[in-house]
Amino acid sequence: QTVVTQEPSLSVSPGGTVTLTCGLNSGSVSSGNYPSWYQQTPGQTPRALIYTTNSRASGVPDRFSGSILGNKAALTVTGAQADDESDYYCALYVGGGVHWVFGGGTKLTVL
Amino acid sequence: QVQLQQSGRGLVKPSQTLSLTCAISGDSLASHTAAWNWIRQSPSRGLEWLGRTYFRSKWFNEYSPSVRGRITVNPDTSKNQFSLQLSSVTPEDTAVYYCARGVGALFDSWGQGTLVTVSS
Repeated sequence: QTVVTQEPSLSVSPGGTVTLTCGLNSGSVSSGNYPSWYQQTPGQTPRALIYTTNSRASGVPDRFSGSILGNKAALTVTGAQADDESDYYCALYVGGGVHWVFGGGTKLTVL
Repeated sequence: QVQLQQSGRGLVKPSQTLSLTCAISGDSLASHTAAWNWIRQSPSRGLEWLGRTYFRSKWFNEYSPSVRGRITVNPDTSKNQFSLQLSSVTPEDTAVYYCARGVGALFDSWGQGTLVTVSS
């Protein structure tokens, strides 16, 4: 069974930089997994942030950036703001009929 | 700007069929660049992709193995909407269900979500 792993929680100071990661239990994440990232605040619909590793969705500020770091996908928030405090989910394309698998999410606290 | 409006019952009895509809505005169900997805979210299972329908000269449906055999996603071009049916539901199917447009590798627009509770 394919499992996508994320840090359960991270914290960052206002104005600071934080990197969230997204891994695969079966091996390395590559651009062929088309990593995407979503932001969700409690009670709200997920909002698209990043797709195909490092492309920003429409309207997303450039303090959000995506990359591959080592064997994982990564989302970096530079110059964190209070309203960046949210849950962040990654999604990976794994094919094989399963298609898309989401990570369990990272709760980001800005304090 | 595309908008997705979900409708359907929020309470379903065990063993019955869950039915939801997603009406599309601002895009065409038969778009050659989009796919129309159902995704659910629960505390126990997190976000889970369930299936999709899309048109590329003909209609295609693809389903997650976790629900294959119980799920049907149907396009309705006359109303520019698509539907989800999940049969033989159990309390484990209790979740918030979302419809979402997929463009390339991104779910870029989401419906408002529908909490579906499976309970007698």
